[in-house]
Amino acid sequence: QKEVEQNSGPLSVPEGAIASLNCTYSDRGSQSFFWYRQYSGKSPELIMFIYSNGDKEDGRFTAQLNKASQYVSLLIRDSQPSDSATYLCAVSASGGSYIPTFGRGTSLIVHP
Amino acid sequence: EAQVTQNPRYLITVTGKKLTVTCSQNMNHEYMSWYRQDPGLGLRQIYYSMNVEVTDKGDVPEGYKVSRKEKRNFPLILESPSPNQTSLYFCASSSLQGANEKLFFGSGTQLSVL
Repeated sequence: QKEVEQNSGPLSVPEGAIASLNCTYSDRGSQSFFWYRQYSGKSPELIMFIYSNGDKEDGRFTAQLNKASQYVSLLIRDSQPSDSATYLCAVSASGGSYIPTFGRGTSLIVHP
Repeated sequence: EAQVTQNPRYLITVTGKKLTVTCSQNMNHEYMSWYRQDPGLGLRQIYYSMNVEVTDKGDVPEGYKVSRKEKRNFPLILESPSPNQTSLYFCASSSLQGANEKLFFGSGTQLSVL
């Protein structure tokens, strides 16, 4: 059973701070890693994906991947109240199907 | 516009009354999937389909049926709904041609079974 683990939170950070969200996975052969943001009652939307070890930056968001440690993280710089949402980590399956496995999500609260 | 259309958005029903939630995508995607989402449990996969007439169970298939007669449509059928199927449901699709392909989600169906 492929597993993707996330701390459910909530993670509470003040406005302007850096929010750090973490995810670990069990399938060592996984190739791609996704971060989806989900507002309450809404559908998930992709904000970042990463497939190479290291950092990938997009605006205020940075995804970090360490395949040796089977660890992926999402950093949100200059956090805003509008960033308050649940962040879902998804890991694509190895073996050619690419079907993603989702973590349970981390709730982020950015308070003014 | 590329989209996954899911209907209805809200549904209230009674125990045992058969219902169907529809899902349609206009992107010619091979892969389609149904998830349910409950507080604290994240997205749990119910069924998925890799192509027409090819369906497979996910993690929580009990009490659900699906069919994939056409590539664009993937309805979710609850033949005898029970209160423990009260949940938020999402349909998703993707080409899954490579590991970097994202999922496109429908807008969700909030189902209440009384």
